Amino acid sequence: GNSVTQMEGPVTLSEEAFLTINCTYTATGYPSLFWYVQYPGEGLQLLLKATKADDKGSNKGFEATYRKETTSFHLEKGSVQVSDSAVYFCALRGRGGSQGNLIFGKGTKLSVKP
Amino acid sequence: NAGVTQTPKFQVLKTGQSMTLQCAQDMNHNSMYWYRQDPGMGLRLIYYSASEGTTDKGEVPNGYNVSRLNKREFSLRLESAAPSQTSVYFCASSEVWSQGMLSGANVLTFGAGSRLTVL
Repeated sequence: GNSVTQMEGPVTLSEEAFLTINCTYTATGYPSLFWYVQYPGEGLQLLLKATKADDKGSNKGFEATYRKETTSFHLEKGSVQVSDSAVYFCALRGRGGSQGNLIFGKGTKLSVKP
Repeated sequence: NAGVTQTPKFQVLKTGQSMTLQCAQDMNHNSMYWYRQDPGMGLRLIYYSASEGTTDKGEVPNGYNVSRLNKREFSLRLESAAPSQTSVYFCASSEVWSQGMLSGANVLTFGAGSRLTVL
């Protein structure tokens, strides 16, 4: 079945540091890929998405590129801020039938220090 | 614009008690979902409703029941709570569930969560 693996946390960075959170997936066919973010005490919010190979999703300075050849969707940001402290979830959604539900990775907690 | 509203936000139960988590969305979405979030486990799908009048099991349905009351509301019931059901529960909705290629990118909108503790 479909699955998502993302790097273990927590990740602690200083403000303005470069961020990478790795995400790889296993899926049949051509899933859509997502990054969701959960700020403390809140529900998940969509951060960015990509629906086909080589698509780049971007939002709020974050980027991720759908790499079919490496089955990856790594999240990057060039300069993190304290306000980026949150838990980040990689997710995929298959196409059709029982593959249609969203499957999440375990989440990576990011803490950014001033 | 309320989005997805869950109640209650916090609840403490004793083992064996029953309760219902309520969820309502005002976005005219067809599909609704219940997830649970546990440390180190990410989010796992309990039940979903692809459209009004239908419900299906997700990854971890045991110990739960759901009701899609109407298009707006999707409730989750614990008939006899167990400590293993201590978790944070999230309701979510999306415009459609799955209709082939076009729906592959459907986005879920989440509620703020309900923290349940079973003693």
